[in-house]
Amino acid sequence: AQRVTQPEKLLSVFKGAPVELKCNYSYSGSPELFWYVQYSRQRLQLLLRHISRESIKGFTADLNKGETSFHLKKPFAQEEDSAMYYCALRSQGAQKLVFGQGTRLTINP
Amino acid sequence: KAGVTQTPRYLIKTRGQQVTLSCSPISGHRSVSWYQQTPGQGLQFLFEYFSETQRNKGNFPGRFSGRQFSNSRSEMNVSTLELGDSALYLCASSLGQGRRKLFFGSGTQLSVL
Repeated sequence: AQRVTQPEKLLSVFKGAPVELKCNYSYSGSPELFWYVQYSRQRLQLLLRHISRESIKGFTADLNKGETSFHLKKPFAQEEDSAMYYCALRSQGAQKLVFGQGTRLTINP
Repeated sequence: KAGVTQTPRYLIKTRGQQVTLSCSPISGHRSVSWYQQTPGQGLQFLFEYFSETQRNKGNFPGRFSGRQFSNSRSEMNVSTLELGDSALYLCASSLGQGRRKLFFGSGTQLSVL
């Protein structure tokens, strides 16, 4: 069965501090992993996907197949990063996304 | 290009009633999927349509159904509403199947009283 776990419901850090949002998954095949973000009063939007290996708004995420993890990291948090973050998995050949429960990130000034 | 449009934005219904939600995908997108978002269960996949055919279905009772029209617009219907159906219903569209980016709408907030 496909499963995505985000162990932290809430995460609070100070501006300028490093941020790491954890995501672990279970899937036997080759998954596609994503991070979605939902800012206050805005729609859910794609932040990163592992196949792109890109950095968006200073965030990066590396797929670790050995540890089945896809943690989201940013070296220096900014206040505008405060949002709800969802890790999601898509299995081969499918459109369906399996989401984690989400982590609410708050950046304190 | 206009984004994914969902109507109505808010709905209030009573138990036992039925409801129809609408989703207009981004122009040119042929795949539409629906998700239910609740504080307790998070985001859960309902179903996916491509070229008017349901391609995948989540683990929801038969009271939840949907369809897609030839212009790719989609509707979902919930019959015999229950209190637990109160949720934000999100629609997402993509160009097609395979490894395509999903673009989400703002959702329809359904409250069942």
